[in-house]
Amino acid sequence: GAGVSQSPRYKVAKRGQDVALRCDPISGHVSLFWYQQALGQGPEFLTYFQNEAQLDKSGLPSDRFFAERPEGSVSTLKIQRTQQEDSAVYLCASSLTSGRGEQFFGPGTRLTVL
Amino acid sequence: GENVEQHPSTLSVQEGDSAVIKCTYSDSASNYFPWYKQELGKGPQLIIDIRSNVGEKKDQRIAVTLNKTAKHFSLHITETQPEDSAVYFCAASIPNAGGTSYGKLTFGQGTILTVHP
Repeated sequence: GAGVSQSPRYKVAKRGQDVALRCDPISGHVSLFWYQQALGQGPEFLTYFQNEAQLDKSGLPSDRFFAERPEGSVSTLKIQRTQQEDSAVYLCASSLTSGRGEQFFGPGTRLTVL
Repeated sequence: GENVEQHPSTLSVQEGDSAVIKCTYSDSASNYFPWYKQELGKGPQLIIDIRSNVGEKKDQRIAVTLNKTAKHFSLHITETQPEDSAVYFCAASIPNAGGTSYGKLTFGQGTILTVHP
């Protein structure tokens, strides 16, 4: 059984460019989370989807960050006009149920903004 | 919001020794406490978790204890092996305003565990 996959694994962007990061959760998982992990730190919550509904986007650092999950499966995190402080690993996690399930993490996308 | 503090930031032990990592949390409403292991270049992997209605949980060489009164929880690894070397994160989840929870996690800062052969 495939786990959570993310693509690309590495992304280098010039400051000001837009980027799109993809997450393929485990099939059938209702919940999907995005986290941002700065170097040497723990992951920090960005946003949460229950199926296609974005129920919590309180962790998105600015309006340059946008996430969607239009069909309740694959999700995309988009960052517009990237800044150097956006450099981090972006982790996606999915969970079978809402609220009480184990979160399975993908390998992450390492974004470097030059 | 919830704040999770984790200590120590680095821990070095000899193979076969025990390792203990401690975390404290700020929000007494937190009700779920997972521990994750993260190896270089990989995403976090759940190794054990505990819910607020339980004081201790054990799985082979790994155990977690929870003290709700003091708002702290700990990870215990016995008979450590070199393959236990990794970064370990504690986390806490609090219910939403309505009392339900969708599982949003607040993580500690991580502990780099090194097990020397």
